[in-house]
Amino acid sequence: NAGVMQNPRHLVRRRGQEARLRCSPMKGHSHVYWYRQLPEEGLKFMVYLQKENIIDESGMPKERFSAEFPKEGPSILRIQQVVRGDSAAYFCASSRTGSPGELFFGEGSRLTVL
Amino acid sequence: AQSVTQLDSHVSVSEGTPVLLRCNYSSSYSPSLFWYVQHPNKGLQLLLKYTSAATLVKGINGFEAEFKKSETSFHLTKPSAHMSDAAEYFCVVSDINTGNQFYFGTGTSLTVIP
Repeated sequence: NAGVMQNPRHLVRRRGQEARLRCSPMKGHSHVYWYRQLPEEGLKFMVYLQKENIIDESGMPKERFSAEFPKEGPSILRIQQVVRGDSAAYFCASSRTGSPGELFFGEGSRLTVL
Repeated sequence: AQSVTQLDSHVSVSEGTPVLLRCNYSSSYSPSLFWYVQHPNKGLQLLLKYTSAATLVKGINGFEAEFKKSETSFHLTKPSAHMSDAAEYFCVVSDINTGNQFYFGTGTSLTVIP
């Protein structure tokens, strides 16, 4: 049973480009969470999705960031017109039941904006 | 409202000595509590969880934590530190009424001195 798969593991973009981060949850998991981790900081919640629905996006910046979790395929976190401040590790976690069940994390996608 | 406070941002211990990482939480209801560990450039791995069963919870790698409702604490301990324990540790709280949200502490960085 494969764990949470994130790709790419490392992504380099120039300012103004777009970044797409993908997350395939564990088999049987329909709850997906995205977190951002800046250097020397903890995890910051971004968005919580279930299949085809955004449940809570209170942690998402109002502009340039979007997320989806389609009926088929992985969840995608999209960052448009990236800026240097977007450089961070982005972690995806999945859960079979949502709160208060257990979160399973991917290895993260590390975005570097030049 | 739910929140987690990790009282120490950095803890340093000598190899073979006990480890104590402190966590206090606030929760309006019966919480579920988790400890996760993150090694450098890796995703988060579940160490242990409390979900209203036994208050003393044993986890992987010799770690354990005790849920103390009267003190609203869930401190992580290990009798004897190993070099491989050096990592970042996160305390997490959730409950069935949080709208499927998990609340992370800011993390404690554990250094083990040979």
